[in-house]
Amino acid sequence: AQTVTQSQPEMSVQEAETVTLSCTYDTSENNYYLFWYKQPPSRQMILVIRQEAYKQQNATENRFSVNFQKAAKSFSLKISDSQLGDTAMYFCAFMKAEYGNKLVFGAGTILRVKS
Amino acid sequence: KAGVTQTPRYLIKTRGQQVTLSCSPISGHRSVSWYQQTPGQGLQFLFEYFSETQRNKGNFPGRFSGRQFSNSRSEMNVSTLELGDSALYLCASSLNRDPPEQYFGPGTRLTVT
Repeated sequence: AQTVTQSQPEMSVQEAETVTLSCTYDTSENNYYLFWYKQPPSRQMILVIRQEAYKQQNATENRFSVNFQKAAKSFSLKISDSQLGDTAMYFCAFMKAEYGNKLVFGAGTILRVKS
Repeated sequence: KAGVTQTPRYLIKTRGQQVTLSCSPISGHRSVSWYQQTPGQGLQFLFEYFSETQRNKGNFPGRFSGRQFSNSRSEMNVSTLELGDSALYLCASSLNRDPPEQYFGPGTRLTVT
């Protein structure tokens, strides 16, 4: 079974600064996907970024980028130029490829952006 | 395009009752997945339906069941409610393509008293 671990229950960052959220996972699969989801106080889950395991290049979406280390089974999220609207719970998630749409989530990291 | 919709948004039930939650996926999406979110257990996968068939199932007791209709709308049912079933139930829909991308609904907040 796959497991996803987020070791930082809470983090805070000043507006305009950069913050990195950590995630490690355990799997014996070679083909899979990794995701970061954001859940603001409204509880609406929003996809932030996705990484295909077969791609060596780290995914980037505007201010959000990942550091994907397949051998180390590590998948961190970097948020640059943090904004107040980034305040949310962030979940790291794993999905096995060719197995339907089943996400395995980490426990989440609460990120607070301070002005 | 309309997003994923879930009804009702809030629900209060008594222990022992049963409840049915509904999820309407984004138009054209044939996969619907359900998740339970609680403070203690976090986000846990319940099941996934694709083309009216259950494709994946999580580790939940048989009191939790679901189904999907020909228009891809899905329902989940919880029978004999327990206090521990109080949770936010999230539904997500997806096109069945690679790479995958799930779109979540706003959730149904179930409180069991």
